[in-house]
Amino acid sequence: NAGVTQTPKFRVLKTGQSMTLLCAQDMNHEYMYWYRQDPGMGLRLIHYSVGEGTTAKGEVPDGYNVSRLKKQNFLLGLESAAPSQTSVYFCASSFIAGASYNEQFFGPGTRLTVL
Amino acid sequence: AQSVAQPEDQVNVAEGNPLTVKCTYSVSGNPYLFWYVQYPNRGLQFLLKYITGDNLVKGSYGFEAEFNKSQTSFHLKKPSALVSDSALYFCAVRDPFGSARQLTFGSGTQLTVLP
Repeated sequence: NAGVTQTPKFRVLKTGQSMTLLCAQDMNHEYMYWYRQDPGMGLRLIHYSVGEGTTAKGEVPDGYNVSRLKKQNFLLGLESAAPSQTSVYFCASSFIAGASYNEQFFGPGTRLTVL
Repeated sequence: AQSVAQPEDQVNVAEGNPLTVKCTYSVSGNPYLFWYVQYPNRGLQFLLKYITGDNLVKGSYGFEAEFNKSQTSFHLKKPSALVSDSALYFCAVRDPFGSARQLTFGSGTQLTVLP
């Protein structure tokens, strides 16, 4: 049981380049999330998904797009990277099971630098 | 809107001494509260949660947290700190009436346990 995995672990982009971060979970969770972590700011929610084929905006969605074509995968895209998107990105997932308070399980993170 | 405050960026404690990491929250209803820990270059790991019931919640690795509704606090505690407890700790809150099971995280507290 791998839990939540993220690809890649590290990436360096030039301003204006695009890339996709992949998150995969093998726990059959309905909910998936993308966060960014910046020093002194905790984690901020970028986008989330409550099920296959559905996505919604979080706190800081600008400059990012997401897709959830398969239940186990949640993709985060940067169409035109900017230095302000330099951050560590975390994916998380959680199950419903009638309990909206279930804890989230996190992936190991992707460290992205935009030059 | 829900919010979380962790008033201390850094907490230092000697090994064997009790530790406390502080957290206060603001939500419109009864909160769901969580503590997560992050070790260097790792994702967040769930420690414990308060949903309802006893105000003292016990979690992983000997940690516990006390929910205080009148003071809107959810401080993390451990009777005897270990050097291996050194990590970044995040408090999070979910408004049970909020949208889509989103968590709001505090800015984090770096705990250092000195040998």
